[in-house]
Amino acid sequence: AQKVTQAQTEISVVEKEDVTLDCVYETRDTTYYLFWYKQPPSGELVFLIRRNSFDEQNEISGRYSWNFQKSTSSFNFTITASQVVDSAVYFCALSESYNSGGYQKVTFGIGTKLQVIP
Amino acid sequence: DAGVIQSPRHEVTEMGQEVTLRCKPISGHDYLFWYRQTMMRGLELLIYFNNNVPIDDSGMPEDRFSAKMPNASFSTLKIQPSEPRDSAVYFCASSRDRANEQYFGPGTRLTVT
Repeated sequence: AQKVTQAQTEISVVEKEDVTLDCVYETRDTTYYLFWYKQPPSGELVFLIRRNSFDEQNEISGRYSWNFQKSTSSFNFTITASQVVDSAVYFCALSESYNSGGYQKVTFGIGTKLQVIP
Repeated sequence: DAGVIQSPRHEVTEMGQEVTLRCKPISGHDYLFWYRQTMMRGLELLIYFNNNVPIDDSGMPEDRFSAKMPNASFSTLKIQPSEPRDSAVYFCASSRDRANEQYFGPGTRLTVT
């Protein structure tokens, strides 16, 4: 089973539409961390947000918002009023403990390619 | 801080040649990661280090791949001998600890002909 599932491989929306990117994760840890990264066409990977497992508050940053629900093991990402510059591949990632040494094990989802059409 | 630095940015080599990719993590970051990204397989974790020690190399595809981190500010990923199927973008990333986000370098686009 995949640790991080991004079921939507590609999404196309028309500019100004809202879009939600889904992320479902699987872990046995009680303390873990979730992340979203953006990879625009230029290729670099850019960190967007981090969430720890004890903080289920939703977060809003401008047109971006994140909905973390432990009950459904989901960490979804919504872009409001999408713009062409939002076109990118978005990755969800999970950081959990690795054996008993406290080391980090990070698993990335396969990414969702978002295309915003003008 | 300059961010994660990778070199070279582009590498074109012939099959059978040795390739060395280099990475300088952000100062103060204890974790360093090497990833490979291809269209077919997406973003794959190859290996990561904590305090210069390799922790998990289960993602290294085969013995042709090796990685070292001789000190806190430098790491290399070596492919010897290279094959066309190694063509990919290789990213290096670093993070302060497991609770923190990873910062990625610009990547090295490797083409093996």
